[in-house]
Amino acid sequence: RKEVEQDPGPFNVPEGATVAFNCTYSNSASQSFFWYRQDCRKEPKLLMSVYSSGNEDGRFTAQLNRASQYISLLIRDSKLSDSATYLCVVNNQAGTALIFGKGTTLSVSS
Amino acid sequence: EPEVTQTPSHQVTQMGQEVILRCVPISNHLYFYWYRQILGQKVEFLVSFYNNEISEKSEIFDDQFSVERPDGSNFTLKIRSTKLEDSAMYFCASSGGDGTEAFFGQGTRLTVV
Repeated sequence: RKEVEQDPGPFNVPEGATVAFNCTYSNSASQSFFWYRQDCRKEPKLLMSVYSSGNEDGRFTAQLNRASQYISLLIRDSKLSDSATYLCVVNNQAGTALIFGKGTTLSVSS
Repeated sequence: EPEVTQTPSHQVTQMGQEVILRCVPISNHLYFYWYRQILGQKVEFLVSFYNNEISEKSEIFDDQFSVERPDGSNFTLKIRSTKLEDSAMYFCASSGGDGTEAFFGQGTRLTVV
């Protein structure tokens, strides 16, 4: 099983749509979870950390299910500027590295 | 806003040559990382560095790679004898704590010809 798995997409949605991305991770000892965003040929940028209780930042909501080793990201009211690749990131068992999924590509159209 | 800076933004080198990629992490951060991303592929972990020593390295980080923090601000990645397959975007990152979010530089695109 791959360390961090994501549906690669692409997800093609109209403006205003709600879209959800899923991610599973293999290491049950992982303690830190994040969603990053990467635009084409740019560096990954932190979107939000993911906490056990779930957390929300404006139109973005992240959920963590430790029992299922599953992380989700919900984007409400999609904007054109949300078009990017969304990377699920989990730390390794020792906490010494962040491990990236391959990313899910989102394309929002008008 | 503090940021991680990397130089050069693009480097072209001949196969077999040595390259040094440079990074200035965020000033109060203690944990430093190098990642690489081959075009169209995922971001891959290379190495993490804390307290002047390597904390973790991946299988990719073989004897051809080395890292150094030569002074209080710079963090470098050296590839001793570049191969064609080393062509990739190399990202430096830093974080303030163990397992906390990391902030990435804009990357160095390395092209080996």
